[in-house]
Amino acid sequence: DAGVTQSPTHLIKTRGQQVTLRCSPISGHKSVSWYQQVLGQGPQFIFQYYEKEERGRGNFPDRFSARQFPNYSSELNVNALLLGDSALYLCASSLWGTGYTFGSGTRLTVV
Amino acid sequence: ELKVEQNPLFLSMQEGKNYTIYCNYSTTSDRLYWYRQDPGKSLESLFVLLSNGAVKQEGRLMASLDTKARLSTLHITAAVHDLSATYFCAPSSEKLVFGKGTKLTVNP
Repeated sequence: DAGVTQSPTHLIKTRGQQVTLRCSPISGHKSVSWYQQVLGQGPQFIFQYYEKEERGRGNFPDRFSARQFPNYSSELNVNALLLGDSALYLCASSLWGTGYTFGSGTRLTVV
Repeated sequence: ELKVEQNPLFLSMQEGKNYTIYCNYSTTSDRLYWYRQDPGKSLESLFVLLSNGAVKQEGRLMASLDTKARLSTLHITAAVHDLSATYFCAPSSEKLVFGKGTKLTVNP
């Protein structure tokens, strides 16, 4: 069985650009959460979606947005990139708030 | 707002020794997770603790939960080099809230 799949694995963007990160959850999992992990810190919660509806939002600016599709995959969008957005972005899949499984992450570098 | 404090943040220990990592959290949580992260990698699930007094063991690692004290511990027995990694605790209340992590280095 495939685990949580994230793409791309690495990405380099310029300040001010926009980026879209993608996540496919484990088959049967209807909940997807996004986390940002800055180097040397613990992951910080960005969004949680369940059944295509936003169920939680962390303390991130409106430049961050996300959505979940009918097949439960998800996209995280970040507009007007700042140097401080450089981080590992992790997607976690779960049935609903239980047994979170993380993908391998997308390493975003903003230059 | 749920806050999590882990200590120590850095731990250097010799192979064969025992040690405990502590995780305190500020408000009621319905479950608590422990994860391992190797450098540049994602998070690997180690344990999920569901109730007061829960204890789980896997190899040289044992995790426990005291919901009344809002405290979880991760005990390392007879450490080996392969355990070198960063360990995170994450209580959950609809979302995971992570501590800053404990970077463990096991020296020969």
